[in-house]
Order: sequence, then C-alpha cells, then structure tokens
Amino acid sequence: GAVVSQHPSRVICKSGTSVKIECRSLDFQATTMFWYRQFPKKSLMLMATSNEGSKATYEQGVEKDKFLINHASLTLSTLTVTSAHPEDSSFYICSAEDRVGSTEAFFGQGTRLTVV
Amino acid sequence: LAKTTQPISMDSYEGQEVNITCSHNNIATNDYITWYQQFPSQGPRFIIQGYKTKVTNEVASLFIPADRKSSTLSLPRVSLSDTAVYYCLVGDMSFTGGGNKLTFGTGTQLKVEL
Repeated sequence: GAVVSQHPSRVICKSGTSVKIECRSLDFQATTMFWYRQFPKKSLMLMATSNEGSKATYEQGVEKDKFLINHASLTLSTLTVTSAHPEDSSFYICSAEDRVGSTEAFFGQGTRLTVV
Repeated sequence: LAKTTQPISMDSYEGQEVNITCSHNNIATNDYITWYQQFPSQGPRFIIQGYKTKVTNEVASLFIPADRKSSTLSLPRVSLSDTAVYYCLVGDMSFTGGGNKLTFGTGTQLKVEL
C-alpha cells in the first residue's frame, strides 16, 4: 500500500515555543491530507483538512491561528502548533489518499508531542 | 456521517476467532463500512471495507446483513499481535474532490491473551 510518513515521531518542547510536524506522501501525490489529534485512550478527532495550494479547512472548535497548516506541495503538508502549552500535548496523526476516488486512507505513524 | 456503536472492549485467547460487531442504524445508501486497526502510538491501518454481504481478505472477513444496519468484523485465529483497537467507520466514500473525511468512533479494544 501507499506510504505516508510523519516527522518527527516524537518531540518535546517548552511552553510558548512552536513545533512543526511534517506529513509526507512518499510514493504518491496527495491533493488533500487530513490532520487528527488523539488523546490517551481516546479516539482520533479530525482537526482539519489540508488542501494543496489553498487554505486548510478547520473543524469546529479548532483554532486555525493555533494550528497552522501549510500544504505547499502535492507530497507535503505541515502542521505547526504555535505557542504550545501543556494542554496541546497529544498524538497528532495525518492521513492521505493515494488516488482520486480511493476509498482507503493511509495514515502516518503519528507524532507524540509533549509540551513541558 | 452515520454514527457507529461498538463494544468498548473484548477479550480473547490465542487461536480463537473474534467477532466484533458494529451498529450503524443510520447508514445511508452511498455509505461504505470500513474497519481500521490501531496499535499504541501508531497511526490506524486499513483492514477491510465492504458495502454489503460478505468481504474477505487475507486478514479478516466482514459480514454485512441485508439491512446494512450493522456489520461484523471477523478475525480468524487471533494471536497476541492482534491486540489493538479496532475502529468501525461508515461514510460516503465516493470521490467528491475533497478527499474522504473520516469520523472515528470509540473503537473496540481487543486484548488477546495466551
């Protein structure tokens, strides 16, 4: 199957700093990628839809100025957590589909963010 | 997107068949049923997808009754490595030009023991 890679797999940062997470489709092009957040022992919650060449679409309750998404190319979307606080500590996961009309989503391995 | 209901957890032993049922009473005509598996600190992995009747692949079978208001994921002869959370998702998978937004329910934590 198609491969989606996230980097870094885990990161620790200080409160007030910003952290960038990359999501890459390694062997296919993705015009659309999705970002999810998952708290311990909870389900995945969709944060936003990342659209190549245009603004991201955020789910209700997700602060767009807090979670900056840039989808500058067909193989890369980035999520930047700005001015991170301990409550932003979570597991962040991206996904993409490998072709138009695909019914299968491919997920990255996730990024564990810890804000201290 | 149709809401799904699954058992929170299930326990089994190695070598047994495990059946996880998902209820989706409000499933729409265009909706597919998809199951994902997630290990701790990893992204979900696609297991199987179906629309009606029965679908089988190398890892699982998916049974969908005629009314499609529920579905059952069947894992034959589970092993310790099948311990994971299993998510049932229901949604319109037809391409709309914007990709497929997935809504995850609570999932079922399967624990396999020796």
